[in-house]
Amino acid sequence: GQNIDQPTEMTATEGAIVQINCTYQTSGFNGLFWYQQHAGEAPTFLSYNVLDGLEEKGRFSSFLSRSKGYSYLLLKELQMKDSASYLCAVRGLNTGTASKLTFGTGTRLQVTL
Amino acid sequence: GAGVSQSPSNKVTEKGKDVELRCDPISGHTALYWYRQSLGQGLEFLIYFQGNSAPDKSGLPSDRFSAERTGGSVSTLTIQRTQQEDSAVYLCASSRRDRGPYGYTFGSGTRLTVV
Repeated sequence: GQNIDQPTEMTATEGAIVQINCTYQTSGFNGLFWYQQHAGEAPTFLSYNVLDGLEEKGRFSSFLSRSKGYSYLLLKELQMKDSASYLCAVRGLNTGTASKLTFGTGTRLQVTL
Repeated sequence: GAGVSQSPSNKVTEKGKDVELRCDPISGHTALYWYRQSLGQGLEFLIYFQGNSAPDKSGLPSDRFSAERTGGSVSTLTIQRTQQEDSAVYLCASSRRDRGPYGYTFGSGTRLTVV
């Protein structure tokens, strides 16, 4: 099966940097995704990692270490609008899991003044 | 269409009634997924379609739940004899392919309340 862990809540100050961690155990691995979900809205795609290393996209970066089953999402120059839940999701590799994403429960980020 | 469209956006139903939830994916997206999200919970996988077939139905919680997809496009999720524990937001997502860097595009969801 697949198990994904991320912190439940985090608080950070506007303008600061925050790192949201995600650890996973999976019987096969075929990519890790990060999504942003504002309250009452659908999740929206942020990033994709399949190889080890850092992917940078503007203020957001995502890192992956497959050997450690670990990823993080780094948000720089935090803005109030970044207050949202951040979902880590893993795509499996074996039959039956190869196609769907398994989501963590999400990290609710509160950005304060 | 430009995005994934779901209807209705809100549905209140009495316990024991049947409900149908509709999803219209992005044109050309062959993969379609149904998830549900209960208050404060993560996204729970229900079923996955590739074209009109469903290679993975492992997340359907009981035989009261069924889904179909026709013409490789619109999908309907049906819940029979609804129970209060079925109350949740039902999210549909589509993807250009079911592997690689193709993430999901989600619809806005159907908020189902069983009273």
